Formats: sequence, C-alpha cells, structure tokens
Amino acid sequence: GAVVSQHPSRVICKSGTSVKIECRSLDFQATTMFWYRQFPKQSLMLMATSNEGSKATYEQGVEKDKFLINHASLTLSTLTVTSAHPEDSSFYICSAAPGGGSGYTFGSGTRLTVV
Amino acid sequence: RKEVEQDPGPFNVPEGATVAFNCTYSNSASQSFFWYRQDCRKEPKLLMSVYSSGNEDGRFTAQLNRASQYISLLIRDSKLSDSATYLCVVGTGNQFYFGTGTSLTVIP
Repeated sequence: GAVVSQHPSRVICKSGTSVKIECRSLDFQATTMFWYRQFPKQSLMLMATSNEGSKATYEQGVEKDKFLINHASLTLSTLTVTSAHPEDSSFYICSAAPGGGSGYTFGSGTRLTVV
Repeated sequence: RKEVEQDPGPFNVPEGATVAFNCTYSNSASQSFFWYRQDCRKEPKLLMSVYSSGNEDGRFTAQLNRASQYISLLIRDSKLSDSATYLCVVGTGNQFYFGTGTSLTVIP
C-alpha cells in the first residue's frame, strides 16, 4: 500500500531554535500534502496544505512565517517550525492521498517537545 | 457550525458488546467519507471507507445517511484490541475534515 515516511519521529529542541520535519511519499507522487497538529486529547487540526511547486495554503490562525512549508518535489514536503516555543510542543503529522478514493495515508508523526 | 461533529465519548463497553458511533457533517456536497482508527501516540490508520450502499468488514459496519448527513460505524462483538480513538473524515472536493474522535475502551 501507499506509504508516507515522516522524520524525525521525536525531537526535543531548545526554545528559539528551528526544527525541520520531512515527509516523503515512497511509492506514489503527492502533488498535495497536508500538515496537521494534534495536542493531547484533541483531534487532528489541519495547519496547512502543501502544494508541489507553489505556495502552501495555511489555515486561519496558523502563522505562515513561523511554520514554513516547502514542497519542492512530488515526493517530498517539509515543515519547519521556526523559533520554536514551548507552546509549539505537539504531535505533527503529514498526510497525502494516493488517489483512487483510498483516503489518506499518514506519516508516523513527529512528537516535538520544546524546552 | 463545525464541518464535522463527533461525540468524543468516552465509550466504555464490556468485551462482546456492540457499540456504534455517529458523525454528522454540515456540507451536503461532501463526497467522500472515511473512518480512521488512532491508537495512543500513533498516526491514524484507515479503518474503512464509507460508501453510499454501506459496507461491512468483519465485525465493522459503516453506513452513510445522506438525507440526515451522518455516517456511522458499528462494531460488533467488541474485542479488547478495539480500544482506540475512532475518527471520522469527510471530504468535500479537495478539502478533508476530521471529527474530534471518539474514544473507545473495551473492558474485560
């Protein structure tokens, strides 16, 4: 089946530093990837939609200058959390739809802890 | 109004019980519907798609009611391993919306 590989799975960083999260579609091309954030005991919340070769579309309330998204190829999208703060600590997940009505395939998620 | 509404639960049921979850959606133009299962601290995994005619996979049955704009998931003969959070997802064009998830705990 379709696989989305996400790295790193866990990262601890100091406040003020930047963290990059990668998502790769391994066996399909993803013109669109979705980035979600999930706080404890809450649902997945869409942050942004990443489009290959063009600017990402951000959801209301998500700072585009803080959460930089790059989708330079059909198989790779990256999310960079810039100047991270403790309140950015969360579970970040990417996903893409391989197509054919098969729904989403999710990456394994990245647990970010900012100390 | 939220695009997708889902009862967060929690649902605590004994082994062997039958349990049902519903999810309502607000956009009548929605075209695709899914149920996902998410285990603690893991990514969601597709459980089943929901078709207009309804579909069944073993102990799991998913149904779509377009008139009332809801989808349902029925789990029969609950197992301990069914304990998880179940998320509904509703797709409208290129947009997908998640429910908040329903927590299920199956008790021995």
